[in-house]
This record gives sequence, structure tokens and C-alpha cells, in this order.
Amino acid sequence: GAVVSQHPSWVICKSGTSVKIECRSLDFQATTMFWYRQFPKQSLMLMATSNEGSKATYEQGVEKDKFLINHASLTLSTLTVTSAHPEDSSFYICSAPRGGRETQYFGPGTRLLVL
Amino acid sequence: AQTVTQSQPEMSVQEAETVTLSCTYDTSESDYYLFWYKQPPSRQMILVIRQEAYKQQNATENRFSVNFQKAAKSFSLKISDSQLGDAAMYFCAYRNIMEYGNKLVFGAGTILRVKS
Repeated sequence: GAVVSQHPSWVICKSGTSVKIECRSLDFQATTMFWYRQFPKQSLMLMATSNEGSKATYEQGVEKDKFLINHASLTLSTLTVTSAHPEDSSFYICSAPRGGRETQYFGPGTRLLVL
Repeated sequence: AQTVTQSQPEMSVQEAETVTLSCTYDTSESDYYLFWYKQPPSRQMILVIRQEAYKQQNATENRFSVNFQKAAKSFSLKISDSQLGDAAMYFCAYRNIMEYGNKLVFGAGTILRVKS
């Protein structure tokens, strides 16, 4: 069964509003989670590393004030797209490593459409 | 920085046949992990197979196997007895064990089409 969940799976919002996406690790704790963005038929682009108890680490070129990340607990990380614009429309995926060196498991993704 | 290259944007295979997807990577590290992930039309990323660099034996998982050539930095995926459900985008990924956060580096992906 699924080990990482995301909510919502699909969201449509108006330009200028903020959208929050939740990523939860199920039945395991994750001190680190990752947020990716994916365009159709393209690879996953790492946006940031979410760290429980400390600030997120953003990849180069990702606006930290636009994509707010909060790792609220050992099982929950949230990504908030602030003042969303149509160009923010994309597929957002989170992942979490289960165990020390073990594999990362991915959430089912969130489709964001900004009108 | 590490890079992962998948040189085949698209591949096709006849049902029940065998297909090999290519992946090369670049790293100066000696210890790392390599992965193949499958992303079907649902877009859920699914782990297909994992290889630890320190293991010489190629990983296998049912119909899926890899050809890991560490010196050549090559990590190809072989799918035997292809099924319609294998149709998906496949991503090769690298993870440096020692890097902070253990983040994955993905290749560009290969779209696999399975013909009936």
C-alpha cells in the first residue's frame, strides 16, 4: 500500500491566491522530505529539501518566498504556493526516504491549475 | 555535480518481448545507489529496482533486471516478457550516500510503449 500520501490530488485556484499542499509519511517518520515539480513528459525537478525542525533547503533558482515549505512534524511537510500565477500550474510531487539509507517513496502527486 | 543521462527519449517493444533501457551517470563517488523508477499514466512514481554500487551482482526483480557496469558508469534496465502494464515513463536515478539530504538526481526519462 501507499507509504506517502499527498493532499489534495487536484486543485484549481484563481491567480493571486495561495495554495497549500500536504505531504504525509504513513507509518514511518521522515525527518527529511523532498518536493519536486514536473511538467508533462519531463523529468522531476527538485525544488527543495524539507527538514523537520529547521529551514528548508531550496535548489538554485527556486523562490523561497513563493514556495513556502514547513516541516511541521516527523510525518508532515507542507508546500504553500503563494500568490499563485498561471505559470505555477504544474504537477507537484513529494517524496520521503524510509529508513536511513533506504529508498525514497513518492506521493501520488498534486495537479495544480492556476486560472 | 552528479548527472544522469538517458539517451533514449522513447522506446517501443512488442508484448512478450524483451527491451533494454539505457542509463549512464557521472560521479566521482565510489559508494552510491542507483534506481529505476516507473511512472505510469497515473503519474505515481513506482520503484522498479535498486542497485547498491558496492554490490557487484546485478539486481533482479522478477521480470526486471539491471546490467550494472560500475567502471563504465552504466546502469541499463532489462524488461523481459513485456506486458501492456509496463507502458510508462521510466526514470533512472542516482543517489550519493554521503550527500546531505540524500537527494535523488534523475535522468530525463524514457517513454516505453508496449505494442499488443
